[in-house]
Amino acid sequence: ELKVEQNPLFLSMQEGKNYTIYCNYSTTSDRLYWYRQDPGKSLESLFVLLSNGAVKQEGRLMASLDTKARLSTLHITAAVHDLSATYFCEVNRDDKIIFGKGTRLHILP
Amino acid sequence: NAGVTQTPKFQVLKTGQSMTLQCAQDMNHEYMSWYRQDPGMGLRLIHYSVGAGITDQGEVPNGYNVSRSTTEDFPLRLLSAAPSQTSVYFCASSYSFGTGYQLETQYFGPGTRLLVL
Repeated sequence: ELKVEQNPLFLSMQEGKNYTIYCNYSTTSDRLYWYRQDPGKSLESLFVLLSNGAVKQEGRLMASLDTKARLSTLHITAAVHDLSATYFCEVNRDDKIIFGKGTRLHILP
Repeated sequence: NAGVTQTPKFQVLKTGQSMTLQCAQDMNHEYMSWYRQDPGMGLRLIHYSVGAGITDQGEVPNGYNVSRSTTEDFPLRLLSAAPSQTSVYFCASSYSFGTGYQLETQYFGPGTRLLVL
């Protein structure tokens, strides 16, 4: 059974600090996606990771995928208030699509 | 391109009523899906379709029905609304390759907030 665990579920951090969000999944998959959701809004695609060792970067966010460890990380560098949002990872394998429960990120000015 | 559109934005139903949530996309994506989002639960897949005429159940299909007669449209029908179906519903579409389940990324609609009294 495909399960996806995201942690932490809530993170409050100061501007300028670095932090990492983790996404673990239970069965083999080489496709993992990260999304951002602002309060009351829809989901917006951030990164698509389609192979082991894939690393993608956009501004202060960097995502990586280790399929052997069944782990993806979303790293935030020198956080700014605009990055406050909820971040979701999604794993799909065959016809199964499972989202993590989301990490609500609150960045304090 | 409008992307993925959903109507209505907000709906209040009484228990037992039926309704259809509309979803359309103009990106010629084969894959379309419906999710519900509840606090603390992430998104859960209700139904999905890998092309016109082909639909299948996701994780939480009970109480919902779908059909896909065209590539563009993928309506979700609530057969007899229950308070447990109070949620935010998102439709999404994606380019798919390989077996049809390998997705590029999903593009989400703006959502429909449903309240069942």
